[in-house]
Amino acid sequence: EIVLTQSPATLSLSPGERATLSCRASQSVRTNLAWYQQRPGQPPRLLICDASTRATGIPDRFSGSGSGTDFTLTISSLESEDFALYFCLQRSDWPSWTFGQGTKVEIK
Amino acid sequence: QVHLVQSGAEVKKPGASVTVSCKASGYTFTGYYMHWVRQAPGQGLEWMGRINLKSAVTVYAPKFQGRVTMTGNTSITTAYMNLSGLKSDDTAIYFCALEYFYQFYFDFWGQGSLITVSS
Repeated sequence: EIVLTQSPATLSLSPGERATLSCRASQSVRTNLAWYQQRPGQPPRLLICDASTRATGIPDRFSGSGSGTDFTLTISSLESEDFALYFCLQRSDWPSWTFGQGTKVEIK
Repeated sequence: QVHLVQSGAEVKKPGASVTVSCKASGYTFTGYYMHWVRQAPGQGLEWMGRINLKSAVTVYAPKFQGRVTMTGNTSITTAYMNLSGLKSDDTAIYFCALEYFYQFYFDFWGQGSLITVSS
């Protein structure tokens, strides 16, 4: 099973700052990786698929990069609604999908 | 517009079974895959399995094999997830999630159903 490790566990930043979240896979997932945002009490929302493709309706301050085992989600300038949990998901290990344990972006 | 509405919260005793429903609307029900994902309180997300809503072919995560059954009723456009042999660590929010625009990724989600396992 492919294990995804996200870092840091918590990121404390101020509105307007840049956020950089990491997701590392235990073996190559090529670009078969997505990023999700989850606000309290809500289901996850797809932000990025195939490592770097923004999903429909996602603001361009969100960007994804990486391939193989190392991936990054960048939020260029944090807005109040961006303080939330973020998960990565791999779909390369067919027929199994696995999530990372999450990174919490909190207000400093 | 795609909409997934799940059944409500339930409390179950250890050893019991639970069935969570996911009523779909706004798209052609049988054209897509439905996944089930759970989230224990304050924890991360865990993929449980997937059903092809047209063929009813299922794929389950090894951890849940033998305990989970996913089905669909095309006449009422509803997907179901049954989990048997419940234990306290099955206490979680259970989500249905649809592969729609993006193949292999879940882009529409139900609101979640809290299942509490307690004696």
